[in-house]
Amino acid sequence: AQSVTQLGSHVSVSEGALVLLRCNYSSSVPPYLFWYVQYPNQGLQLLLKYTSAATLVKGINGFEAEFKKSETSFHLTKPSAHMSDAAEYFCAVSATPGDSWGKLQFGAGTQVVVTP
Amino acid sequence: EAQVTQNPRYLITVTGKKLTVTCSQNMNHEYMSWYRQDPGLGLRQIYYSMNVEVTDKGDVPEGYKVSRKEKRNFPLILESPSPNQTSLYFCASRAGPNTEAFFGQGTRLTVV
Repeated sequence: AQSVTQLGSHVSVSEGALVLLRCNYSSSVPPYLFWYVQYPNQGLQLLLKYTSAATLVKGINGFEAEFKKSETSFHLTKPSAHMSDAAEYFCAVSATPGDSWGKLQFGAGTQVVVTP
Repeated sequence: EAQVTQNPRYLITVTGKKLTVTCSQNMNHEYMSWYRQDPGLGLRQIYYSMNVEVTDKGDVPEGYKVSRKEKRNFPLILESPSPNQTSLYFCASRAGPNTEAFFGQGTRLTVV
């Protein structure tokens, strides 16, 4: 069974500073990895996904993530935070061992606060 | 526009009064799921469906029922709601295994 760990339930960054959100996964088969963002009172929106092509994945709103198999990590970064980046971010993993249907397993989420 | 539509967005009900939250998707996706979101716990899967008439339990199925009579619809039924089912609920659909999920706007349920 796969699992996801997001380090840090809350992250505070200054406007213009680097945003780094950490995600580690475990999976018995090659995983598919996703980052989602949730703005207040909204559903989850896909930021980016890793599907075994390039290890550095670029997403929307200037975010990118790098898949590192040796570290079982898929950390999310953005070089310069904007006030509009304040939201909750979820890492998710999907894997299909055997006859599984490819369940999407979510981390607990990281709340990002951006200060002026 | 491709979307997943949930109704209602907000619901306050009393313990024991049966309710249904509807979910519909217009993307012809085969896979649909229900999640509940609670602070500090992320999203936990309640039930999922791989096709019409094919459903199975997720991680937290107790107290919930689902049905999949049509490909586009996947309602969530609470036969006898209890206060511990107060939560934010999301419906999601996917084209297939390992593809990204598309989420509805959420239903905030309060059971008093």
